[in-house]
Amino acid sequence: SQQGEEDPQALSIQEGENATMNCSYKTSINNLQWYRQNSGRGLVHLILIRSNEREKHSGRLRVTLDTSKKSSSLLITASRAADTASYFCAYFNTGGFKTIFGAGTRLFVKA
Amino acid sequence: GAGVSQSPSNKVTEKGKDVELRCDPISGHTALYWYRQSLGQGLEFLIYFQGNSAPDKSGLPSDRFSAERTGGSVSTLTIQRTQQEDSAVYLCASSQDRGLGYTFGSGTRLTVV
Repeated sequence: SQQGEEDPQALSIQEGENATMNCSYKTSINNLQWYRQNSGRGLVHLILIRSNEREKHSGRLRVTLDTSKKSSSLLITASRAADTASYFCAYFNTGGFKTIFGAGTRLFVKA
Repeated sequence: GAGVSQSPSNKVTEKGKDVELRCDPISGHTALYWYRQSLGQGLEFLIYFQGNSAPDKSGLPSDRFSAERTGGSVSTLTIQRTQQEDSAVYLCASSQDRGLGYTFGSGTRLTVV
């Protein structure tokens, strides 16, 4: 399967702590994206990192990409209860036509 | 429109009936995807449209599933002779081009009883 794998599957932390989620993939990629999903409906695009980038920041989000290990991580700093959601990585593989999604990490931030 | 619109938002149908799900992508977006998500699971790719190219149908789970995209805009996903295992949230997403960040609709929750 080309599906990306994320770990952990679920993560529970206290408000104010940092949350780190990891994603591994199996093919060569053009870019990797992270999405958030609330309440099992539409996904919201958070950040896109290209294959020639190693790190990218957006507000409290920090994404790293290691193409040699075929892995990426999403760090949410100073988490808030409102960050409670499922987070998915998705990648667009080189020469392919479809964006492939991981199984997601369910993050629960306790107030 | 400002976002990706899907209709209906919820659909309950009897086993064996046909259903049609609709997606209105963002105007000008050439790439359109359909995904399916079962409860608590990841996204399962169904079909991809890119401009006027032939669609990538490799994710459709059976020949009961079909989709079309008329005029490079609105897309409909049709499920014939629905089965209980078809129950899921069907998500549509569009993008300016393949591989770029996608804008998702809110999905259609299909329940087959």
